Amino acid sequence: GAVVSQHPSWVICKSGTSVKIECRSLDFQATTMFWYRQFPKQSLMLMATSNEGSKATYEQGVEKDKFLINHASLTLSTLTVTSAHPEDSSFYICSARHPLAGGGTDTQYFGPGTRLTVL
Amino acid sequence: AQSVTQLGSHVSVSEGALVLLRCNYSSSVPPYLFWYVQYPNQGLQLLLKYTTGATLVKGINGFEAEFKKSETSFHLTKPSAHMSDAAEYFCAVSEGQAGTALIFGKGTTLSVSS
Repeated sequence: GAVVSQHPSWVICKSGTSVKIECRSLDFQATTMFWYRQFPKQSLMLMATSNEGSKATYEQGVEKDKFLINHASLTLSTLTVTSAHPEDSSFYICSARHPLAGGGTDTQYFGPGTRLTVL
Repeated sequence: AQSVTQLGSHVSVSEGALVLLRCNYSSSVPPYLFWYVQYPNQGLQLLLKYTTGATLVKGINGFEAEFKKSETSFHLTKPSAHMSDAAEYFCAVSEGQAGTALIFGKGTTLSVSS
């Protein structure tokens, strides 16, 4: 159990276009999902916290108008990179918080990631 | 504010040798601590976690970690390395059920030679 999927796994787009990445919790409901960004050979940096039915909370320095997050249901959160530029090329990873995993303590389960390349 | 420091960005061991990956944390509240493994071009897989209770935590693939509050450490160990253990390992801390996100260390690349 506790599987999180992401789609697409790899996307290449032209500069100036928008790209939508989906994050789904397949076998549990996640009221909270997180979006991370990972540059090559670096750690994961939290971009935003996505709560179902409410606006996302963005970390300092992350442009909310550029990285649009929608958490419309308990199993789906989407990240849209608007007007993408080459510097947005990165590995984007989502995670879903499973509130009942491990004896009542929340645990995050990660998706496989989406590699975005902007030409 | 919470933070995680992983000592050593790259650790190399021989197959069958002890694996020790170091992690120190900083937290103003009792922390929840995690170790994740990442294989190339993949997401993160949870190895083990400490929440409360027993300070020695056993995880998957023969890994274990010990929470030492006095040393603010949560080092990851495995008695005998296997070639398949070669990957990137991340230590992370959260404030538990507050719903906050994980704060990750910079990661340690584990290489295993035959």
